[in-house]
Amino acid sequence: DAGVIQSPRHEVTEMGQEVTLRCKPISGHNSLFWYRQTMMRGLELLIYFNNNVPIDDSGMPEDRFSAKMPNASFSTLKIQPSEPRDSAVYFCASSSTEYEQYFGPGTRLTVT
Amino acid sequence: QQPVQSPQAVILREGEDAVINCSSSKALYSVHWYRQKHGEAPVFLMILLKGGEQKGHDKISASFNEKKQQSSLYLTASQLSYSGTYFCGTGSSNTGKLIFGQGTTLQVKP
Repeated sequence: DAGVIQSPRHEVTEMGQEVTLRCKPISGHNSLFWYRQTMMRGLELLIYFNNNVPIDDSGMPEDRFSAKMPNASFSTLKIQPSEPRDSAVYFCASSSTEYEQYFGPGTRLTVT
Repeated sequence: QQPVQSPQAVILREGEDAVINCSSSKALYSVHWYRQKHGEAPVFLMILLKGGEQKGHDKISASFNEKKQQSSLYLTASQLSYSGTYFCGTGSSNTGKLIFGQGTTLQVKP
């Protein structure tokens, strides 16, 4: 298996632009997690899905952030409009049980 | 609430041992341990569940004190490859939702 796939790996955009991050979980995994990592705040859970249904989005910072999972093999995290403070590494992770989560390589987002 | 890890950083020589602690103010169902190398994604090391079940790598051990809501990760006979940042993630239910600590940076020198 190729593991969790994220795209793009790097994104540089200007403040106010829309940003869409993509994730393909490991086939067969029924849970998907979006995390954000910064030096200041560490690794934060933004939202997670179970069987394509959003279960907990309490970590989404504000309405500018939205996430979807239209099917078992694809999820997006969208920021609109983006701000410099959104600069971070965004990780997607998937799991098939309550045990290990498999993290993707991450998307490094820079908002100027 | 975010679990608290200690120490924040550790420097070891190859072959030395280290203990990383994780403490939560909430009742825990599970504690997960991950290691992240610079510029890479976190990688699963171990999970400890309420009731005593454990699952993880053979060369890494950990403990979970349910009453104290604390866990410790034991790294013995450290190798250069152990270098990285170690995160504990705590779960209060079996949903898989984790809250991660701030991380402990481990550096192993030759």
